[in-house]
Amino acid sequence: SAVISQKPSRDICQRGTSLTIQCQVDSQVTMMFWYRQQPGQSLTLIATANQGSEATYESGFVIDKFPISRPNLTFSTLTVSNMSPEDSSIYLCSVEGTEENEKLFFGSGTQLSVL
Amino acid sequence: DAKTTQPTSMDCAEGRAANLPCNHSTISGNEYVYWYRQIHSQGPQYIIHGLKNNETNEMASLIITEDRKSSTLILPHATLRDTAVYYCIVILFNDYKLSFGAGTTVTVRA
Repeated sequence: SAVISQKPSRDICQRGTSLTIQCQVDSQVTMMFWYRQQPGQSLTLIATANQGSEATYESGFVIDKFPISRPNLTFSTLTVSNMSPEDSSIYLCSVEGTEENEKLFFGSGTQLSVL
Repeated sequence: DAKTTQPTSMDCAEGRAANLPCNHSTISGNEYVYWYRQIHSQGPQYIIHGLKNNETNEMASLIITEDRKSSTLILPHATLRDTAVYYCIVILFNDYKLSFGAGTTVTVRA
């Protein structure tokens, strides 16, 4: 199984600022996924990040608000820009399994609170 | 994706087997059944998945009915660390847009 390191694990930010979340995987993966989980809610896919191409965003999410980088096959960042309290959520990085492609593995998440 | 129905909550005694049911009566022939769990404030953890055959790994067993309209996740010897919300989802092999329902809150008691 893939080991995913995500940081920061939590942060408290001021309205109007930006936060970049990092996701490091211990093996090369083609696709990485960024999810959001708002308090008491299910997961929502933000975007799919493939190395060497622009991220593909889901409906309701735009690049200006959530820019994503994918510089290589083991690393990705998600930036939450111009934050508002509505952005308070857990942000999760996920990858497909390297040995058995049917599995999705998740990082431990970044718990973000915006004041 | 097919929708799933799970009981809201379940209690289990430590050391006993926990059987978690899931109904997915509208599942299509090429959709897989996946189980994840989420311990408070942590990322979801993959448990097991299957298509039509029963599956077993080091964490759990998955029993899928012959008509595939329901399944049961079995935790053979529940421990206190198994206390979590357990999610049953059905999804296509190459679909990564996971959507968890309310899940079953499992509380393992000493």
